[in-house]
Amino acid sequence: KNEVEQSPQNLTAQEGEFITINCSYSVGISALHWLQQHPGGGIVSLFMLSSGKKKHGRLIATINIQEKHSSLHITASHPRDSAVYICAAPYSGGGADGLTFGKGTHLIIQP
Amino acid sequence: KAGVTQTPRYLIKTRGQQVTLSCSPISGHRSVSWYQQTPGQGLQFLFEYFSETQRNKGNFPGRFSGRQFSNSRSEMNVSTLELGDSALYLCASSLMGPAETQYFGPGTRLLVL
Repeated sequence: KNEVEQSPQNLTAQEGEFITINCSYSVGISALHWLQQHPGGGIVSLFMLSSGKKKHGRLIATINIQEKHSSLHITASHPRDSAVYICAAPYSGGGADGLTFGKGTHLIIQP
Repeated sequence: KAGVTQTPRYLIKTRGQQVTLSCSPISGHRSVSWYQQTPGQGLQFLFEYFSETQRNKGNFPGRFSGRQFSNSRSEMNVSTLELGDSALYLCASSLMGPAETQYFGPGTRLLVL
């Protein structure tokens, strides 16, 4: 079973700061997911990536397959970015697997 | 295109009862995965269905079961409820499986008393 670890668990920052959340996993994977969960429970998929880097607005996700590590960056952070960010990888690495999740990073952006 | 819907949104049951939760995926999506979220364990994979077949199952007891219908709608059932089954149950759909972008439903919040 893939073990997924995230850091930090909690992060409080000021508006405008550059944010980095890290994720490492133990088993080679076909793709890694970054998810965002707001209070109330709804989960939105931010990125799914298998190599390199993806960018969407102020969000950037990178992955290093050899090092089994991924990062999520938020540029020019804003209070509306406050949420829980979760990375997820296939259960045993394969494409048909369910996902195994990190514990999440609770991000608070203060105005 | 309508998103993933889950019913009911909230449910209160007592120990020993059983419960059935429903998930309607995005039209055209054939894969439905179910997850349990608790404060202690976080998000955990329950099972995944594709074209009415269970392809994968997480590490949960046999009290947790599911099925998928020909229209891709899925149900999960929990029998003999325990207090520890109180959780947010989420389903997610995709075209072919969990290696693709997952579209999550709003979840069903189950409270077992």
